[in-house]
Amino acid sequence: GQNIDQPTEMTATEGAIVQINCTYQTSGFNGLFWYQQHAGEAPTFLSYNVLDGLEEKGRFSSFLSRSKGYSYLLLKELQMKDSASYLCAVREAAGNKLTFGGGTRVLVKP
Amino acid sequence: ETGVTQTPRHLVMGMTNKKSLKCEQHLGHNAMYWYKQSAKKPLELMFVYSLEERVENNSVPSRFSPECPNSSHLFLHLHTLQPEDSALYLCASSQGDRGTYEQYFGPGTRLTVT
Repeated sequence: GQNIDQPTEMTATEGAIVQINCTYQTSGFNGLFWYQQHAGEAPTFLSYNVLDGLEEKGRFSSFLSRSKGYSYLLLKELQMKDSASYLCAVREAAGNKLTFGGGTRVLVKP
Repeated sequence: ETGVTQTPRHLVMGMTNKKSLKCEQHLGHNAMYWYKQSAKKPLELMFVYSLEERVENNSVPSRFSPECPNSSHLFLHLHTLQPEDSALYLCASSQGDRGTYEQYFGPGTRLTVT
């Protein structure tokens, strides 16, 4: 089985930076995904890491360390519209199965 | 039509009713998924279909019955549900299971069992 942990909630100020951590314990690993989910809406894909290191996409970056079972999502220059839940998900070594963490609700304040 | 669509968006049903949720993807993907999202709980995978064959059944009670007639359509048939089955049911699709084949989600069906 898989265990995925991320903080429940974080608060940050508009224009600031927030880092959302995700730790996982898995029997197999074939990639880690980050999704954004606004209240009442579908999750949308943000990033994918399968090799160690940092992937940057505009204001969002994601980091992976496979040896530590650790990832983070970095949100820079926060905007009010970034207020949402951020879901960390791990894909097992084979197949299509994704296991999700509980999500981190980020609240951006003016 | 674009992306992944789901109908109905909201559904209220009694415990003795039979209803079906429908999902359609317009992305040319070959894998489809059902997830359950309950308050205060992680998103839970229920079923996976790859090339119209069920490849994953995540210990889901038999009162939930999936059907995948073709690669674009996925149904979830519901019967004799319990109040604890009230949740948001999300459908997703992806192009295979390799590489960065992220899953695209539909808007979900908010189900309330009374």
